[in-house]
Amino acid sequence: NAGVTQTPKFRVLKTGQSMTLLCAQDMNHEYMYWYRQDPGMGLRLIHYSVGEGTTAKGEVPDGYNVSRLKKQNFLLGLESAAPSQTSVYFCASSRIGEDPTYGYTFGSGTRLTVV
Amino acid sequence: ILNVEQSPQSLHVQEGDSTNFTCSFPSSNFYALHWYRWETAKSPEALFVMTLNGDEKKKGRISATLNTKEGYSYLYIKGSQPEDSATYLCAPYNQGGKLIFGQGTELSVKP
Repeated sequence: NAGVTQTPKFRVLKTGQSMTLLCAQDMNHEYMYWYRQDPGMGLRLIHYSVGEGTTAKGEVPDGYNVSRLKKQNFLLGLESAAPSQTSVYFCASSRIGEDPTYGYTFGSGTRLTVV
Repeated sequence: ILNVEQSPQSLHVQEGDSTNFTCSFPSSNFYALHWYRWETAKSPEALFVMTLNGDEKKKGRISATLNTKEGYSYLYIKGSQPEDSATYLCAPYNQGGKLIFGQGTELSVKP
């Protein structure tokens, strides 16, 4: 029972490089999310998806793009990494849009450092 | 974007102390209030979900109450233990299929 799997777990990028973070879930959830965690800031929503083929902006979308080509996968892209994007990134999935009492299942996080 | 506020931002208590913290949120278009427990170097895990005004939930020494009319929830921990050390996040759900989290209350329990 894998739940939500994030890859990679760690990555160091140089400023200006690009990369893609992959989130995969095996629970057939419609809703998927990317959050970032910064000290003293809690979790801030970057982008989310309410179903295959859909994406929407969250609180802090600038500098990121996402795609949801398959229901089980949600990709987060950084086109030109900046030091301000150094953070821990968490993916989550849920059925909350169908049932407001349904919680999130989180992945284990990706620690990204941009130098 | 919802304005979710949690207080205090951090709390340091001794083992055995009881403690509580607050989550404030806009009361309009309210559907549910989620609490998560987040240990260092781990992923957040769901603690409680509450929907009705006056709701109370309990899990062991941890309990929570909800006031939807005034837009706040309290989380209580009775007889804190070192293993309770974590960040506690709240997130109201109003609509749109997403949670907007507060900045969290970081609890440290010293033995």
